[in-house]
Amino acid sequence: DARVTQTPRDKVTEMGQEVTMRCQPILGHNTVFWYRQTMMQGLELLAYFRNRAPLDDSGMPKDRFSAEMPDATLATLKIQPSEPRDSAVYFCASGLDSYGYTFGSGTRLTVV
Amino acid sequence: RKEVEQDPGPFNVPEGATVAFNCTYSNSASQSFFWYRQDCRKEPKLLMSVYSSGNEDGRFTAQLNRASQYISLLIRDSKLSDSATYLCVVPRGGSQGNLIFGKGTKLSVKP
Repeated sequence: DARVTQTPRDKVTEMGQEVTMRCQPILGHNTVFWYRQTMMQGLELLAYFRNRAPLDDSGMPKDRFSAEMPDATLATLKIQPSEPRDSAVYFCASGLDSYGYTFGSGTRLTVV
Repeated sequence: RKEVEQDPGPFNVPEGATVAFNCTYSNSASQSFFWYRQDCRKEPKLLMSVYSSGNEDGRFTAQLNRASQYISLLIRDSKLSDSATYLCVVPRGGSQGNLIFGKGTKLSVKP
């Protein structure tokens, strides 16, 4: 089965440090999403790309978060500097146009 | 009305029961909808797509009511393995790309 691969699986870091999360979408998928999930807020869309072009990053705090797709096989989400309130599970998902999306297993981030 | 709203549950049902979840949405332009399932500490997985009035897949039936702007998920003959959180998903602004997730309805099926 084709999978969306996310690294790292878990990350514990100190407040103020830079965090980079990576995602390898399924080959051939043209849409990539970054979501954040917390108990309180549920799944929140941070950013999404279509054909590597950013289409919407309005859900992302611009002062500290950035999302990029340097090529079709890699999407990155960076937080600098990280804060305790950023602690959450970050999911990447990919899909082809509108036919449902496949999620990666997520990066569990803890900022202490 | 919120963009996507679900009853958080939990729904506690015995094995073999029939259970239904509802989800309401605010954007009348939305054309397609999805139900995802999420197990504890796992990623969401696509369960069903709903493009017209409804969709059926084995024990699972999804129905769409555009006039009242809600979709439902019916699970018949529930199994222990159906225990999970069920997420309703709606495209924002009618766009196929930008998906908005409900906070989910938790189902617990007991022996």
